[in-house]
Amino acid sequence: EPEVTQTPSHQVTQMGQEVILRCVPISNHLYFYWYRQILGQKVEFLVSFYNNEISEKSEIFDDQFSVERPDGSNFTLKIRSTKLEDSAMYFCASSWEGTYNSPLHFGNGTRLTVT
Amino acid sequence: QKEVEQNSGPLSVPEGAIASLNCTYSDRGSQSFFWYRQYSGKSPELIMFIYSNGDKEDGRFTAQLNKASQYVSLLIRDSQPSDSATYLCAFSGGSQGNLIFGKGTKLSVKP
Repeated sequence: EPEVTQTPSHQVTQMGQEVILRCVPISNHLYFYWYRQILGQKVEFLVSFYNNEISEKSEIFDDQFSVERPDGSNFTLKIRSTKLEDSAMYFCASSWEGTYNSPLHFGNGTRLTVT
Repeated sequence: QKEVEQNSGPLSVPEGAIASLNCTYSDRGSQSFFWYRQYSGKSPELIMFIYSNGDKEDGRFTAQLNKASQYVSLLIRDSQPSDSATYLCAFSGGSQGNLIFGKGTKLSVKP
């Protein structure tokens, strides 16, 4: 069964450094998402991406965050200057249509640790 | 503020019993509802989704939706120890249908 793949599985960085989290969504999916989950808390929406542009973003997704689909397969999340509170699991997800009609499929996540 | 409320548990049931998980949501206009299972340190795994009032069955799992009461539930029949996980309820809340998740209910199935 096709799946969403994320790399790396674990990223450790120092505060103030830039990080790029990478995702390869399921190949025929059109909608792409980033979510995060701080340890012990709920899964929170960050951003959705469709037709090569951001379609919606949450309050969490401030100017420090950006997303890009640099080629036909990869979808990336960049955090420009990491803060301690950015430490979390970051999940990429994709769907064939928006979630009104099709469910999200999540990748295995990248655990980001900011020291 | 669009929210999902779930009892955090833990809910403990014996092996072979029925586990009942419940969820309420705040957005009366929401159309789509999802149950995900999450093992510790892992990503959410889709179990079921439901769009219409009533019941939807898939193997040992049954989702029940009552839009008038803004209530969705998940029944797990013949619970197995491998079902022990946190169960996340979610609904489509954003303009593009972005999912809003509850905090999850931790289920423990005792052998």
